[in-house]
Amino acid sequence: GENVEQHPSTLSVQEGDSAVIKCTYSDSASNYFPWYKQELGKGPQLIIDIRSNVGEKKDQRIAVTLNKTAKHFSLHITETQPEDSAVYFCAAPWDGGTSYGKLTFGQGTILTVHP
Amino acid sequence: SQTIHQWPATLVQPVGSPLSLECTVEGTSNPNLYWYRQAAGRGLQLLFYSVGIGQISSEVPQNLSASRPQDRQFILSSKKLLLSDSGFYLCAWSGGGNTIYFGEGSWLTVV
Repeated sequence: GENVEQHPSTLSVQEGDSAVIKCTYSDSASNYFPWYKQELGKGPQLIIDIRSNVGEKKDQRIAVTLNKTAKHFSLHITETQPEDSAVYFCAAPWDGGTSYGKLTFGQGTILTVHP
Repeated sequence: SQTIHQWPATLVQPVGSPLSLECTVEGTSNPNLYWYRQAAGRGLQLLFYSVGIGQISSEVPQNLSASRPQDRQFILSSKKLLLSDSGFYLCAWSGGGNTIYFGEGSWLTVV
């Protein structure tokens, strides 16, 4: 099955700075890479995802980049705001994408944005 | 639009007692359904998934079981809870693709 490593485990930035979280995966057949944001006491919310046929996807202040050769993908948050503070998870398909919806998650990154 | 509901939101149960967590999805038909567990606020582990009524697959051996009595209803159960069953339980659904959507979660504390 897929193995996903996520770094860093904690990230502290000043408001207005950028934040970058990186994940590596092991299965070269994986074709779908979502990012989730989890606020305290709530379920994870999908914030952006990317498929293997593109190298970058952007949605306002959030972007995800994918390097298939190196088998890593990253979440970029620009102009961070205090409300961006949360735990962020990356994920990849359990078995390269043949069993839809079964995801392997990274261990999460606690992002703190200081005002 | 699709919504997912999960209850109860919090639960404190003694060791050896039974468990029943329920999840329902609205606004879609024949969803894939999932139960994940999150321990210590980090890391999501897939416990069960279902592609249809009565079809349950378990990913890890454990003290828990799942059932899907109706198309959009998914239930997580245990006959006798262990201390190690404590955690944050998340129900999720997908429309058949890889994108999954989570419910708000249920906090279980076994004492």
